[in-house]
Order: sequence, then structure tokens, then C-alpha cells
Amino acid sequence: EVQLVESGGGLIQPGGSLRLSCAASEFSVSSTMSWVRQAPGKGLEWVSLVFSRGSTYYADSVEGRFTISRDNSKNTLYLQMNSLRAEDTAVYFCAGDSSGNRPMDVWGQGTTVTVSS
Amino acid sequence: QSVLTQPPSASGTPGQRVTISCSGSTSNIGDNSVYWYQHLPGTAPKLLIYTNDQRPSGVPDRFSGSKSGTSGFLAISGLRSEDEADYYCLAWDDSLPGRVFGGGTKVTVL
Repeated sequence: EVQLVESGGGLIQPGGSLRLSCAASEFSVSSTMSWVRQAPGKGLEWVSLVFSRGSTYYADSVEGRFTISRDNSKNTLYLQMNSLRAEDTAVYFCAGDSSGNRPMDVWGQGTTVTVSS
Repeated sequence: QSVLTQPPSASGTPGQRVTISCSGSTSNIGDNSVYWYQHLPGTAPKLLIYTNDQRPSGVPDRFSGSKSGTSGFLAISGLRSEDEADYYCLAWDDSLPGRVFGGGTKVTVL
């Protein structure tokens, strides 16, 4: 069964750092992979993407603070989050593209990040 | 403020047809495909429509997508209670660059 499982969320103080992981089963993280978040009471927000060829992109709201990466040998995607702010509080989903014309058709269940003192 | 603009809500009675719009610009929908996702609270979002008007296998043909100029549209015909959910459009934006979601539309079945 195709599965993406996020982990690493939790409560963190403003200014702190956190690394999220997304472990894949029956799906290769060498595909185009994304992180998407949903803040409480808000809509979905695309956060970051790494294309299969390796180029990376970030939303303006996280540029310079977040870094997307992957370890193909562990079949795991990561999101390193630094200088966290209260507005980064959200459920973070990882998602994968099973093919070039189907963006984010495979999703994890999400992990919750709360930034608060 | 989302780059892609959707109405915050839409509603209909069972069996009715509901259409949701997604208004963008030449840098996103105008030059790229539009995609639609269904999201039920507490679950993972689901890809509903890809490349403007294509349905993944398993998505009922009650759901249809279209694109005209810088706008995309999702139509739900024969509305059913299980269609109550939040619906989001998505496109690639060349000016950012990156993927952008619409603000989401909450569909209510009356």
C-alpha cells in the first residue's frame, strides 16, 4: 500500500528549530515531493517543493527559514524549519507526485507543529 | 490573501449542481494547468481533477473541471451529502515561482 507518514511535529518556542520527516512506503521520494500546511481555521498553503531532478522552491512566507531535502536511501523527505514563528503553527502534510501531470496525488496524514512560548 | 481567488462558500440541495470558480492571472492559470482538491477536516486532501479537466480513477464523474482564460471551474452535479467538504484549486505560478492554492470553498449540502 502506498503510504506517506509524517513525524517530528510538536510544541516549540518561537525562534526554535524543528525537523519534520516523511517516510514513504511503496512510493519513491525521488519523485517530485511537496510540503503543504494548514494553520488552524485556515486553508491549505503550499510550503515547499523538490522536483525529481532536484530543484527546490519555497513559498515567500518560509523562504530563507525552511529547507526541503530528501534521503533516497532511506526513502524519506525532510523539512528543516528554523527561526519558527507563531504563524508557522499548522498541520504539515507531505505529498508526492506519482506522475508529471498529477501533482500531490499521494498524501500523508499530517503532523502538527505548534509554535508558542 | 491567496493568489488564486475562490468564493468562500457554496451550497445546494441534494441532486443540484454546484459550480466553484478559481480566478487567477496570466502567470498562473493563464499559462498553466489548474488542479482541484477535496479536503475533509482531519483527513488528507484528495486530488479530484488534474490538468484542468481530467479525473483520476475512482473519482465519480459527477465531478468535472474546466478552464477558461485565467479562471478554472469545478462543477459538482447530482450533489450528495458526502460532497460536503472544502475544495481548493491549485496552479503553478511562474512569477513566484511555486505552487499556489486558492483560499478554498466550503461546500454545504442543505
